[in-house]
Amino acid sequence: EAEVAQSPRYKITEKSQAVAFWCDPISGHATLYWYRQILGQGPELLVQFQDESVVDDSQLPKDRFSAERLKGVDSTLKIQPAELGDSAMYLCASSFRGGSYEQYFGPGTRLTVT
Amino acid sequence: SQKIEQNSEALNIQEGKTATLTCNYTNYSPAYLQWYRQDPGRGPVFLLLIRENEKEKRKERLKVTFDTTLKQSLFHITASQPADSATYLCALPNSGGYQKVTFGTGTKLQVIP
Repeated sequence: EAEVAQSPRYKITEKSQAVAFWCDPISGHATLYWYRQILGQGPELLVQFQDESVVDDSQLPKDRFSAERLKGVDSTLKIQPAELGDSAMYLCASSFRGGSYEQYFGPGTRLTVT
Repeated sequence: SQKIEQNSEALNIQEGKTATLTCNYTNYSPAYLQWYRQDPGRGPVFLLLIRENEKEKRKERLKVTFDTTLKQSLFHITASQPADSATYLCALPNSGGYQKVTFGTGTKLQVIP
């Protein structure tokens, strides 16, 4: 069964350093999501792509976070500079289309900022 | 945006009993509602979707109800098993934007053998 791939699975970085996460969605899925999840809370949407276009980044801290999906396939989420409060699980998900279509999540990247 | 309330306290239930989890929402009535399961350290997994014109949806031992008057969805697991222990999240669309979905905080279910 096709899966969403993410790397790295774990990342430890020092405050003020740059960090990047990669996501490869399920083939054919037009919509790609990046979420941040803090322990004990639900996933919070950071950015949503439809093909290569950003359709929602209202919760993305744009002073330090950036995301791209250049060819409408895989995607990269970057944080520069990282802050202590960025420590969380970063989840990527994809769906055939947005809205009610079920989302398939990757295993996530656990980020620890020291 | 939609405000979603799920019981933040863990639910402990004896094996074989029916577990019932609640998802309450405020503001507008959504066109649909989704339920996901999340195991520790892993991404959520989609379980069920129920639309506003559906009162009930079933899948094997799972049953979801949707009451738009009460603004509530109930998620039931019958004949619960220890393997059902996980956090269960409900997700609803926002009223605006490009069909953005918002997740609740989830309820942790522990099935005791």
